[in-house]
Amino acid sequence: AQSVTQPDIHITVSEGASLELRCNYSYGATPYLFWYVQSPGQGLQLLLKYFSGDTLVQGIKGFEAEFKRSQSSFNLRKPSVHWSDAAEYFCAVGALWGKLQFGAGTQVVVTP
Amino acid sequence: SQTIHQWPATLVQPVGSPLSLECTVEGTSNPNLYWYRQAAGRGLQLLFYSVGIGQISSEVPQNLSASRPQDRQFILSSKKLLLSDSGFYLCAWSGGTGGYGYTFGSGTRLTVV
Repeated sequence: AQSVTQPDIHITVSEGASLELRCNYSYGATPYLFWYVQSPGQGLQLLLKYFSGDTLVQGIKGFEAEFKRSQSSFNLRKPSVHWSDAAEYFCAVGALWGKLQFGAGTQVVVTP
Repeated sequence: SQTIHQWPATLVQPVGSPLSLECTVEGTSNPNLYWYRQAAGRGLQLLFYSVGIGQISSEVPQNLSASRPQDRQFILSSKKLLLSDSGFYLCAWSGGTGGYGYTFGSGTRLTVV
């Protein structure tokens, strides 16, 4: 069975500091991995995705994520956060065109 | 380009009333369509998904149903709402003639009173 764990429910980070959000997954086949961001009251927006190839993937808004098969992880990073990065972030795993399993989300608060 | 429309944006309904939420996709054909519910602090729960007209799979037995009367239309319904049906409902699509992963609609905030 597929599952996604986001260990951090809530993270507070200062503006300009670096950010890393953790994601661990369990998937029986080659995983397709995604990170989404959700602003309050809005739908989810795709930040980046990993299918194969280079294990470091670049996304929108200055985010990147690294796939580590040995650790079953797909952590999201940003070198310097902006106040507009305050949102909830979801990691997801699944098939390319099929159902995705989402993690419970990590709420990011950015302080001045 | 592909777009997804979901309405209404907010809805307040009394217990026992019916529900109909609509989702339509433009700019693609034969998409996979999904309904998710997001309860406060509980992440995303897949309710229904559809791979074609009239083909609906239910993930969680509950008070809701879904229908897909047209290729790019997905409807979430209930005959009698419960308080526990309150939440944020999201429609999404994948596959078809474009798109990787899911593309989400802007959501419907349902409050059952």
